[in-house]
Amino acid sequence: QKEVEQDPGPLSVPEGAIVSLNCTYSNSAFQYFMWYRQYSRKGPELLMYTYSSGNKEDGRFTAQVDKSSKYISLFIRDSQPSDSATYLCAMSAMNTGNQFYFGTGTSLTVIP
Amino acid sequence: EPEVTQTPSHQVTQMGQEVILRCVPISNHLYFYWYRQILGQKVEFLVSFYNNEISEKSEIFDDQFSVERPDGSNFTLKIRSTKLEDSAMYFCASSGQGGNSPLHFGNGTRLTVT
Repeated sequence: QKEVEQDPGPLSVPEGAIVSLNCTYSNSAFQYFMWYRQYSRKGPELLMYTYSSGNKEDGRFTAQVDKSSKYISLFIRDSQPSDSATYLCAMSAMNTGNQFYFGTGTSLTVIP
Repeated sequence: EPEVTQTPSHQVTQMGQEVILRCVPISNHLYFYWYRQILGQKVEFLVSFYNNEISEKSEIFDDQFSVERPDGSNFTLKIRSTKLEDSAMYFCASSGQGGNSPLHFGNGTRLTVT
């Protein structure tokens, strides 16, 4: 079983839609959760960083962590064509040797 | 905002040659990483580096690869005897406190081996 599972998509939505991106994980020790946005041929850009369970909001983006279900989500409100990218989830823990575990990424296209 | 910078942005080399990819991590970060991404595929971990030594490496990071922090700011990845299958994007990343703080990536070096 992979440490982190993420549906690769592709996901295609109309402009203005609410987008939900998700990852599941198997290691209950994970405490730190990240979402990255990656445009084609660019480096992953950190969007959201959360610790433990709960919600965190930043503008149109909301990150949600449910540690009991080992499930994290990223919601994008009022999606824009500029949100078209690949979204990667990543996670880490104090006892995983300073390593980060990535999902495979979900490709998102927002259609004008 | 501080950022990780990588040079060159694109490197073309012939099979069998050696290349050095360069990175300047965020200045107060202590943990440094190299990742690889073959076109259309997932981000793969290569190596992590802390306190002037390798802390962990993946199966990909064999004797063909080496890393170095030659001074207080640069972090390099050397690939010897390049092969066609080494063609990929190589990303440097850094973190302030390892797994307890977020990872920040550079924009990568696109390596093309011909």
